[in-house]
Amino acid sequence: EDQVTQSPEALRLQEGESSSLNCSYTVSGLRGLFWYRQDPGKGPEFLFTLYSAGEEKEKERLKATLTKKESFLHITAPKPEDSATYLCAVPENSGGSNYKLTFGKGTLLTVNP
Amino acid sequence: DARVTQTPRDKVTEMGQEVTMRCQPILGHNTVFWYRQTMMQGLELLAYFRNRAPLDDSGMPKDRFSAEMPDATLATLKIQPSEPRDSAVYFCASGLQADTQYFGPGTRLTVL
Repeated sequence: EDQVTQSPEALRLQEGESSSLNCSYTVSGLRGLFWYRQDPGKGPEFLFTLYSAGEEKEKERLKATLTKKESFLHITAPKPEDSATYLCAVPENSGGSNYKLTFGKGTLLTVNP
Repeated sequence: DARVTQTPRDKVTEMGQEVTMRCQPILGHNTVFWYRQTMMQGLELLAYFRNRAPLDDSGMPKDRFSAEMPDATLATLKIQPSEPRDSAVYFCASGLQADTQYFGPGTRLTVL
């Protein structure tokens, strides 16, 4: 069974304190890894898609990287508005469809001013 | 700014009652997904449609849940009869390509 594990479950940072979130997966033949941000009371918001090991993508203070076994979401000099739950997801290894995403449980990030 | 809309945003009902949740996907998107989110299980895919045809509903309890797309601008998720264990936040998402799913704000369902 495909597994997606995120760590840590929760992370508290001071404003400006850089850190990384981890997403490890066991699906074989990875066909993409997706990062989402979810604010309280809202739906997940798409951030990045990574397709191959070594790929990196950036958006403001966030940078996502991918290896063959895991992905990291690096947060550089975070601000309080970066506080949210960050979710990663991978397509299920079934058939030819990329539509069925398996989500991790998420990392709750809190950035204190 | 195109968005997925969902109604109602909150629903409190009693066990045994029928619940209908509605979703308007982003105009032009041909794939619609229904997810359920709980603290224990996280986000789980219930069903999805492409070009209004159901592709997979294996995540849904078949005896009480049903999902339909009467037209391209409306997707519905029904629970009949509802049970307390159905309490969760239900999200609809739409997309054009497999890798980008845009989520709605969710319907928070509480079954007493």
